Amino acid sequence: KAGVTQTPRYLIKTRGQQVTLSCSPISGHRSVSWYQQTPGQGLQFLFEYFSETQRNKGNFPGRFSGRQFSNSRSEMNVSTLELGDSALYLCASSFSQGELEAFFGQGTRLTVV
Amino acid sequence: GENVEQHPSTLSVQEGDSAVIKCTYSDSASNYFPWYKQELGKGPQLIIDIRSNVGEKKDQRIAVTLNKTAKHFSLHITETQPEDSAVYFCAASIQGYGNNRLAFGKGNQVVVIP
Repeated sequence: KAGVTQTPRYLIKTRGQQVTLSCSPISGHRSVSWYQQTPGQGLQFLFEYFSETQRNKGNFPGRFSGRQFSNSRSEMNVSTLELGDSALYLCASSFSQGELEAFFGQGTRLTVV
Repeated sequence: GENVEQHPSTLSVQEGDSAVIKCTYSDSASNYFPWYKQELGKGPQLIIDIRSNVGEKKDQRIAVTLNKTAKHFSLHITETQPEDSAVYFCAASIQGYGNNRLAFGKGNQVVVIP
């Protein structure tokens, strides 16, 4: 069975631009969580989506947003990019809402210049 | 709070020796504790997990122990091999804005010296 798929794998953007990242969860999984990974801060939770609704959120500014589609695929968007947004963005898939056993994709490496 | 701390930050071991990584957590309501292994250029891979009703769990060369009273849990890797070299993350469940979610430690770099 296919794992979690994130696209694209790498992105380079300029400050002020916006970016959209995509995540397809494991088939049959309906919950998607997003994390930002940086060398200094480890994995920081962004938000969780289940049944097309945001069910949980971390402490990130409103420039970070997401959505989930009826097929459970999820996207996250970052607007007005800042240099500090450079990071590995990871998506984790779980079977259901509140199910903590989570499986990660390979991530999208975002570089803001 | 959601603090999850890992020690040591870097661990070097000789091939064949054992490696132990310890995590502490602060939320007494935490009841699920997974460990992830992240190799260079890859996403974190779930390698073992434990729930609060169990004190120890083993899977071949890896094991996890949980001490709820002291609020710490540890990953044990026996007979280490070069392919065990990676960054290991612990996590603990916490009550989030909505549902329970995972809070992660900052990771341990494990280097297995051949």
